[in-house]
Amino acid sequence: DIQMTQSPSTLSASVGDRVTITCRASQSINNWLAWYQQKPGKAPKLLIYKASSLESGVPSRFSGSGSGTEFTLTISSLQSDDFATYYCHQYDSYHSFGQGTKLEIK
Amino acid sequence: QITLKESGPALVKPTQTLTLTCTFSGFSLTSVGVGVGWIRQPPGKALEWLANIYWDDGKNHSPSLKSRVTITKDTSKNQVVLTMTNMDPVDTATYYCAHSSGEKIETFDIWGQGTLVTVSS
Repeated sequence: DIQMTQSPSTLSASVGDRVTITCRASQSINNWLAWYQQKPGKAPKLLIYKASSLESGVPSRFSGSGSGTEFTLTISSLQSDDFATYYCHQYDSYHSFGQGTKLEIK
Repeated sequence: QITLKESGPALVKPTQTLTLTCTFSGFSLTSVGVGVGWIRQPPGKALEWLANIYWDDGKNHSPSLKSRVTITKDTSKNQVVLTMTNMDPVDTATYYCAHSSGEKIETFDIWGQGTLVTVSS
């Protein structure tokens, strides 16, 4: 099984901040990585697929990068609507998700 | 507009078999490149993938749950059914079904609202 490790587990930030979340895979997953945003009581929402492709309708302040085993999700200027939990998802070999990063208001 | 909705029992007893139905609209599971997956999330915990089924009736299952999970489709009813045997309290979770297709195949771009299943005697 491919293990996905996100860091940090919790991130405190302010509106307007630039934030980065990291996801590491236990083995190479090429670019087969997606990022999701989840708000309490709601289903996850796809943000990024294939490591860096922005899902239609997702604001351009979200971006993804990386390859192999290390990937990042960057939010260039935090908006109030962005405070949520973020998950990475590898789909190179079966599927597995990271443990989540909770983005909190500082 | 693509929508998916999960349905099934809210409460099951330990050792029972869980059957969940995903009823969808706005796409066909006979179209090339289309798939539906099941993902679950225990309260306060991370997402866990369970199984996928594809337009060509191909299937993938989580290796850790493969012996317990079955996924099938009924294209005439626009439904995907997940069955999970030998339920245990640790299987208490919100169960989601989700759509995937095209260049985003294997990612989940549209999700259902989820259904909470509690396993308790």
